[in-house]
Amino acid sequence: RKEVEQDPGPFNVPEGATVAFNCTYSNSASQSFFWYRQDCRKEPKLLMSVYSSGNEDGRFTAQLNRASQYISLLIRDSKLSDSATYLCAGWAGSSASKIIFGSGTRLSIRP
Amino acid sequence: NAGVMQNPRHLVRRRGQEARLRCSPMKGHSHVYWYRQLPEEGLKFMVYLQKENIIDESGMPKERFSAEFPKEGPSILRIQQVVRGDSAAYFCASSPNLDEQYFGPGTRLTVT
Repeated sequence: RKEVEQDPGPFNVPEGATVAFNCTYSNSASQSFFWYRQDCRKEPKLLMSVYSSGNEDGRFTAQLNRASQYISLLIRDSKLSDSATYLCAGWAGSSASKIIFGSGTRLSIRP
Repeated sequence: NAGVMQNPRHLVRRRGQEARLRCSPMKGHSHVYWYRQLPEEGLKFMVYLQKENIIDESGMPKERFSAEFPKEGPSILRIQQVVRGDSAAYFCASSPNLDEQYFGPGTRLTVT
């Protein structure tokens, strides 16, 4: 089983829709998680950190479910500019020395 | 505060040559990570370094690849005797602590 797993998509939704992504992780010892956004041929940019209490920033909400070992990202009122690949990531290894990334979920917002 | 800097942005090498990729972390960041990304694939962890120390190199291929982060100067990812399969985007990230990582713009290596 992959350490961090995402649905690759693509998700194709109309502008204004609400879209949700899930990401599962296998290391129950992981303490912190992240959502990154990556545009085509660009570097990943940190979108949100996800801790036990969850996190909200404008139209974006991230939550952590430790019992089921998944994190989620909710995007409300989606914009055309939200089109990108969304990567979830979490610390891995007993010494938490590295971040493992999922393979990404591609989102396309249509007018 | 300048972000993570990587150079060159694009690098073309013939098979058998050496590739040197450089990464300067954000000011105040002592943790450096290297990742490789193949087209249409996710980021694969390669190595984690602190100043003068390799902390975790579990993602590095056993041969031809090496990394360093000297006391002075940028971190270097070195690939000897490159092969076509080494063609990829190589991203460096830095962190002030064992938490959020911030990425550089990447170096796109093409092996001809």
